[in-house]
Amino acid sequence: AQTVTQSQPEMSVQEAETVTLSCTYDTSENNYYLFWYKQPPSRQMILVIRQEAYKQQNATENRFSVNFQKAAKSFSLKISDSQLGDTAMYFCAFQGGSEKLVFGKGTKLTVNP
Amino acid sequence: DTAVSQTPKYLVTQMGNDKSIKCEQNLGHDTMYWYKQDSKKFLKIMFSYNNKELIINETVPNRFSPKSPDKAHLNLHINSLELGDSAVYFCASSQGEQGFGPGELFFGEGSRLTVL
Repeated sequence: AQTVTQSQPEMSVQEAETVTLSCTYDTSENNYYLFWYKQPPSRQMILVIRQEAYKQQNATENRFSVNFQKAAKSFSLKISDSQLGDTAMYFCAFQGGSEKLVFGKGTKLTVNP
Repeated sequence: DTAVSQTPKYLVTQMGNDKSIKCEQNLGHDTMYWYKQDSKKFLKIMFSYNNKELIINETVPNRFSPKSPDKAHLNLHINSLELGDSAVYFCASSQGEQGFGPGELFFGEGSRLTVL
């Protein structure tokens, strides 16, 4: 079964600085999708960024980018120019070709003014 | 318009009671889900329906019974509530069955259930 590991339960960063959240996963599949979801204190889960495993180019969405290392099974999220509104729980998620979406345990990110 | 809406957002009840949480999506998606998020923020899938048909049923007590009257609605009924059922329950939807596409989930705002 696939597993997703987020090794950093909590992180903090100063406003305007850059922070990287780690995620590793375990799978024997070659084609799959990876996601980062954000859950602010308001509770609603929002998709931040998505990566298709067959694409070598790292996905980017404005200040959010990923470092996808397929061989290492690593999928880290980089947040540049951190803003107070980035304070949230961040969940890494994996979806294989025939499996349900599996979430990591989350990283609580606090952006300090 | 809220894409995925679930009611109620907060629910406080006594052990042994029966309660329901309703979910509706107006995105035209084929697949809907229930996730449970425990006090440690861990998200775990409970059920998934594709076009009213049950496709994922994780190891969940029989006291939990989902019902999908149509593909836009997925309700969750819980019988004989226990203390351990206290959690936030999220409804979500996606276009296409998981495993056949990118699988982006659109979540509701969650329903916080507290069992006393």
